[in-house]
Amino acid sequence: GESVGLHLPTLSVQEGDNSIINCAYSNSASDYFIWYKQESGKGPQFIIDIRSNMDKRQGQRVTVLLNKTVKHLSLQIAATQPGDSAVYFCAEILNNDMRFGAGTRLTVKP
Amino acid sequence: EAGVTQFPSHSVIEKGQTVTLRCDPISGHDNLYWYRRVMGKEIKFLLHFVKESKQDESGMPNNRFLAERTGGTYSTLKVQPAELEDSGVYFCASSQRQGDGETQYFGPGTRLLVL
Repeated sequence: GESVGLHLPTLSVQEGDNSIINCAYSNSASDYFIWYKQESGKGPQFIIDIRSNMDKRQGQRVTVLLNKTVKHLSLQIAATQPGDSAVYFCAEILNNDMRFGAGTRLTVKP
Repeated sequence: EAGVTQFPSHSVIEKGQTVTLRCDPISGHDNLYWYRRVMGKEIKFLLHFVKESKQDESGMPNNRFLAERTGGTYSTLKVQPAELEDSGVYFCASSQRQGDGETQYFGPGTRLLVL
């Protein structure tokens, strides 16, 4: 599979714990944000999105928080499972111009 | 419904050679995007097609890269001649309509290694 993430920030959590992955975005005018999950050897997969007129959105086991004041986005994963191990990217979108963060590698220990 | 597909999954070529990557978007998606990820770094935008037209090619690194989308269906990205720094993973994504923050769906990527 793809050999990536040699220099990525990493987060290691115990199975069953909650995970929080953070992302700082660059453009204060960005109005739409997406979290993607990338497993080894696969392309990024959509997890959850949020618009700039919201500060929180919940999905199944995931919650995204948006703090526009400090241009910060976070992804919370409840009851983290081994299948959650992957690289997580945030993306900021403005007028269909999408820019990705470098990613965070999440490792779940059994 | 089939997702975005890319071919080949891996390509190993020598410096100076030519490689052509192919992307088949989700059927009916007018928007097609190419991205590249160099090892250990963020994913970077290359270009955006709306149907067969190049909407934005501001991310294309240089004139060794040529993207086409004849007929507004599949797209090809040709690198000629390839250089060492072109190594990375090339992702394609498609979305149904422009605007409204339409979600982009990604293909599995093509892993290119230039030796």
